[in-house]
Amino acid sequence: DQQVKQNSPSLSVQEGRISILNCDYTNSMFDYFLWYKKYPAEGPTFLISISSIKDKNEDGRFTVFLNKSAKHLSLHIVPSQPGDSAVYFCAVLNSGGYQKVTFGTGTKLQVIP
Amino acid sequence: DVKVTQSSRYLVKRTGEKVFLECVQDMDHENMFWYRQDPGLGLRLIYFSYDVKMKEKGDIPEGYSVSREKKERFSLILESASTNQTSMYLCASSENQETQYFGPGTRLLVL
Repeated sequence: DQQVKQNSPSLSVQEGRISILNCDYTNSMFDYFLWYKKYPAEGPTFLISISSIKDKNEDGRFTVFLNKSAKHLSLHIVPSQPGDSAVYFCAVLNSGGYQKVTFGTGTKLQVIP
Repeated sequence: DVKVTQSSRYLVKRTGEKVFLECVQDMDHENMFWYRQDPGLGLRLIYFSYDVKMKEKGDIPEGYSVSREKKERFSLILESASTNQTSMYLCASSENQETQYFGPGTRLLVL
């Protein structure tokens, strides 16, 4: 039962344009929504998060949008740079009991110079 | 800077062998995690620990066990390695649940 889905396994974008990565989730009880970025041969690194009480969080070129009614999360990167080429994982933090993070399947972003 | 180190970057083992993957963090974090990453499946949680000598099963614990004898060290054990355990194994530690710090990963090949 996949609680977090990233339906696009890959995405190509021209340098300078906007990258939009999408994520859908099934459980409305999640407290936090997270994005991690992973380069080849490295572990994932935390990128940005949003609380369930907000609908937008911005950090420089990165903005995360949360649509709770649609159970949809998106990450916008503007402008995209070649160094943004990586695999992006969305993740959700379960509420209650021992909190644990559930990751999506990942989207490989390629920013073309 | 938080540093999470994993004992090996690459490992090749034979079916049936007992395999130990070690993870050490230097930030005095309470929480530690083991994941595996597979194409098309993302990161899946195997086991986690919120304190020394404490462990909790994640989403795919079958075929694995863990040990946390010291706060900084979290070991993943494959009791009898099988080919379907060929994967990238990632260890992480955290102070809070939002931000996990990952090691570089161990790519395990079971023949």
